[in-house]
Formats: sequence, C-alpha cells, structure tokens
Amino acid sequence: LAKTTQPISMDSYEGQEVNITCSHNNIATNDYITWYQQFPSQGPRFIIQGYKTKVTNEVASLFIPADRKSSTLSLPRVSLSDTAVYYCLVGDMDQAGTALIFGKGTTLSVSS
Amino acid sequence: DAGVTQSPTHLIKTRGQQVTLRCSPKSGHDTVSWYQQALGQGPQFIFQYYEEEERQRGNFPDRFSGHQFPNYSSELNVNALLLGDSALYLCASSLGRGSYNSPLHFGNGTRLTVT
Repeated sequence: LAKTTQPISMDSYEGQEVNITCSHNNIATNDYITWYQQFPSQGPRFIIQGYKTKVTNEVASLFIPADRKSSTLSLPRVSLSDTAVYYCLVGDMDQAGTALIFGKGTTLSVSS
Repeated sequence: DAGVTQSPTHLIKTRGQQVTLRCSPKSGHDTVSWYQQALGQGPQFIFQYYEEEERQRGNFPDRFSGHQFPNYSSELNVNALLLGDSALYLCASSLGRGSYNSPLHFGNGTRLTVT
C-alpha cells in the first residue's frame, strides 16, 4: 500500500487560498488519489479524487504532477467552516482493490 | 436519498461486555467497510464486507467480527470489550468495493465508551 505523508497542521485566514500537499512516493500505476474532509464527531466526507493532472469540482481543485509522487489539494477562499481535518489517501483503481488506509491527516484552522 | 445511517449514535458499555453496532449503506451501494477512530487519530480500517462475506481485514483481533445481510446492511460485533475499544466507529459504503469513481460514503459513526 502506498503510504502518504501530510503536514500535521496548517493555519489560514478567511478568504485566503489554502494548498495542502500530500507526498506519496511509492504510488503504484493502478493507484488513484482521494481527499476527504472530517469535522469533529462526524464521518469523513469525500472532497475530490483524481489520477493525473488537474481535477476541479465545486469545492476544490486537485493538482497531480506527472510523476504522481505528490498531490496538492487547493481550497479557494476558505471560510471558518473549512476548519477541519483533511485526509489524503491512495487506493487501487481495480474493482477488487484494497481498502483505503487513512493517515493522521492535516488539521486546517481558519481564523477571521 | 438517504446516506449511510448508523445506530446507535452513542453507547456506554462495561469492560467484558459485548456490543453490536449497525449500519445501513447509502442507497445503491453494495459494500460496507468499518473503521475505528480513536480521539485525535485517523480512521483505522477494521474490515470490509461485500456479497455477505468479509473480503479484507485490518489489524484487529478476532474479538471484532461482522456480518452483512442480503439487503447490504451490516453489523459490527465486539466481544469482551476493553477500555481501549472506546472510539468512534465509522461505517462507510461504496459500490464495488470502493474503486475509482466510487468513493467511500461515511456515516456519522457510533461513539462507544467502555468503562
């Protein structure tokens, strides 16, 4: 299983763009990258997923360089409600793939 | 469209007792995974059920067991509870074992406290 490394914590202010980088040096050809957000006492919530280059949805963008050894989650103009723990995971694209393994995540604190 | 629902939301048990947690997956999903999350830690994978069978298992003792029913709902059973079993237990559902384009959908968990 590809292991991921993320910063333990990050601080930001409302209205700023936040970029959280995840390292996954041993990512396999068949692995994809997924980011989840978790608020206290709630289950993780899917944010975005990608395999290569750039993926964008209504809440975030995911940048994946050509070597795929890292990925960056970009949150545009964060608000106080974006204060949460963010997890980067890698998983097998195969239908019979391995279960997703969570690390400790990055705790993002947004201040006014 | 109901998401993943878990019951109960909170539970207090005594050491040595047994507990059963329940999970109903998101409509259309056929796979259920269970995770244990201790305070301040990321979710730890317990096991995954697909087609009513345990397909994968994390590093948890045999005291942790589960079941998946024909309607895809699932139960997590923990026997001989230890103080260290106190945690948030999360159920996640997916289609086809959580492959690409079928991310995990989590419930809000069951908070288990063992005294």
